[in-house]
Amino acid sequence: AQSVTQLDSQVPVFEEAPVELRCNYSSSVSVYLFWYVQYPNQGLQLLLKYLSGSTLVKGINGFEAEFNKSQTSFHLRKPSVHISDTAEYFCAVAGGYNKLIFGAGTRLAVHP
Amino acid sequence: GAVVSQHPSWVICKSGTSVKIECRSLDFQATTMFWYRQFPKQSLMLMATSNEGSKATYEQGVEKDKFLINHASLTLSTLTVTSAHPEDSSFYICSARLAGGWGTDTQYFGPGTRLTVL
Repeated sequence: AQSVTQLDSQVPVFEEAPVELRCNYSSSVSVYLFWYVQYPNQGLQLLLKYLSGSTLVKGINGFEAEFNKSQTSFHLRKPSVHISDTAEYFCAVAGGYNKLIFGAGTRLAVHP
Repeated sequence: GAVVSQHPSWVICKSGTSVKIECRSLDFQATTMFWYRQFPKQSLMLMATSNEGSKATYEQGVEKDKFLINHASLTLSTLTVTSAHPEDSSFYICSARLAGGWGTDTQYFGPGTRLTVL
């Protein structure tokens, strides 16, 4: 069975600082991984996804993530955050029957 | 890009009434739609998978008679919360998926519907 663990429930960071949001997964089948962002009272927006190929995946808004099979991780990074990046971030793994299995989420709070 | 809408965006109802939430894919046909429930400051929990023209597949622990799902067309799925109670208050989010594998599509999420049952 697939599962996702987001290791940090909250990550405070100052504006223009780098940030890493951690995600570990468990999957017994082919691994497809996703990062979504959710702004308050809104649905989810896809940041990036890993399906195959290069382990470094670049997404929107300057985010990138690296797939590490040996460590079963898919950490999300951004070299310099903005106030507007304050949101909830969800890591997800594709499960059977086209399902997405989400982690508990990480709240990124960017401070001036 | 693919757009998914939900209606209403928020609804307040009295305990015991039923509420219908619509999920529409605006510019693509979705053979599969998903319904999620999100409690405050928590993750999304999949409630059911809805396939056009067939019965929905519910996740373990989700009451089929409580949460009625109808996927009548390739662009519309509805979730009806029957005899709603305060504990049903939550943020309900739908997503729509294009036909094909993960390499050619992804799930597109609606903006969510906040249900408050008094």
